[in-house]
Amino acid sequence: DGGITQSPKYLFRKEGQNVTLSCEQNLNHDAMYWYRQDPGQGLRLIYYSQIVNDFQKGDIAEGYSVSREKKESFPLTVTSAQKNPTAFYLCASSIDEGLAGAREQFFGPGTRLTVL
Amino acid sequence: AQTVTQSQPEMSVQEAETVTLSCTYDTSENNYYLFWYKQPPSRQMILVIRQEAYKQQNATENRFSVNFQKAAKSFSLKISDSQLGDTAMYFCAFRTDKLIFGTGTRLQVFP
Repeated sequence: DGGITQSPKYLFRKEGQNVTLSCEQNLNHDAMYWYRQDPGQGLRLIYYSQIVNDFQKGDIAEGYSVSREKKESFPLTVTSAQKNPTAFYLCASSIDEGLAGAREQFFGPGTRLTVL
Repeated sequence: AQTVTQSQPEMSVQEAETVTLSCTYDTSENNYYLFWYKQPPSRQMILVIRQEAYKQQNATENRFSVNFQKAAKSFSLKISDSQLGDTAMYFCAFRTDKLIFGTGTRLQVFP
């Protein structure tokens, strides 16, 4: 079955530690995205990538980093510079944004990160 | 700036009844896409329905339909014959180059 997987489902981190969230997709999508969700708020875009070896900052990129070495994978690192990292993180993917009508994003199940 | 506003933080409806969730957006673009996503307690985001701005006809997916008013920049979601499984957070989203989400409406369906 095609889809997006995120691991782990729950992640605990001590303050001052970096942590990496995994996102893998087998939908053959070119574009991938990371969102952050906080209670009472909608999803906010952290980073996105439209092609391998290229990515752009979203609205709240400070304290985060990403890589896109493979089409299928788009890991997100939450660094110690992120002041308030406790949140729910969602990964998504879509077909190349340049294609007409190809605008739907498919989401993974999410990772809940808690900083202790 | 492009924004999406959902003015109803919480809604409730009885099973089998109809409920409408409101969404307004602000943009100067003419070509864009609108979506309603559902997030049940599992927190998996699921696409409910989508609408292309260039289409005048309102989108329909089984019990879900939209009322798209482009001039008013309004995109409401109507759920007919509500079911217990419809209980979830519902997010309206707007997209040109980026997908912008509203803050969500929590819908509770009561038996």
